[in-house]
Amino acid sequence: GAGVSQSPSNKVTEKGKDVELRCDPISGHTALYWYRQSLGQGLEFLIYFQGNSAPDKSGLPSDRFSAERTGGSVSTLTIQRTQQEDSAVYLCASSLVGAINQPQHFGDGTRLSIL
Amino acid sequence: TQLLEQSPQFLSIQEGENLTVYCNSSSVFSSLQWYRQEPGEGPVLLVTVVTGGEVKKLKRLTFQFGDARKDSSLHITAAQPGDTGLYLCAGGPASNYQLIWGAGTKLIIKP
Repeated sequence: GAGVSQSPSNKVTEKGKDVELRCDPISGHTALYWYRQSLGQGLEFLIYFQGNSAPDKSGLPSDRFSAERTGGSVSTLTIQRTQQEDSAVYLCASSLVGAINQPQHFGDGTRLSIL
Repeated sequence: TQLLEQSPQFLSIQEGENLTVYCNSSSVFSSLQWYRQEPGEGPVLLVTVVTGGEVKKLKRLTFQFGDARKDSSLHITAAQPGDTGLYLCAGGPASNYQLIWGAGTKLIIKP
C-alpha cells in the first residue's frame, strides 16, 4: 500500500527480553519520526530521522532504546531488556521533509505489552 | 520549554450538540495542525492553519488560528457519533522540525 506500514501490529513479550519494531515509511519521504503513546494519551516524541541520520535523539527514554534507518527508508526501533513501563503503542510517522508545516503520515502503530 | 495545552481533556456529549476544543501555546507558532485518531489507528491529519486569524472549514468542523498565532480552536457543529475520537493539535515555530504535541481531547458522541 501507499501508507506507512508498521510491524508487528501487536507484540507481547516477557520482561527482560529485547524487541524490535519496524517502520516502512511512504516512499520518497525523507523524514521519519518515532513516538510512544500510552492508552488514550498524547504523543511522546522519541527520535527523528532525516535520511539515515538522527539529528535528534533527545526523546529516547533510556540507553535501552535505540533506532536506526537504512537506505533512507525502513527504520527499526529496538528496546533492550524490556521493562513493564515500556508497555505502550509505538507509532511511526513520515513526512516529505522535516519541516514544521509538513503533515505527518502515521502508521497504525505497534502495541507492545511487557508481561 | 514550549508547551501546547489542550482543553478539555475529555468531552462526552449527545449527538446533535455543538462543541469547541481549544489548543493554547506558550509561544508563537508558525503553523498548527489538527489530527484525529481513532482506536487502533494512527492519527490522521484534518487541517493545517498557518496565517493568524485564519479560518478553515471541513464539513461540520471549523478550525481557527488565533490572530497572534498562539492559540487555535476546533468547533464541531451538530456532532455525530462518527466524530468520536482523540483530537490532537500539534505545531511549532518555523525553526523546529519536530512538532510539539498537545495531550489530546478525547471526544465521545453518544447516539
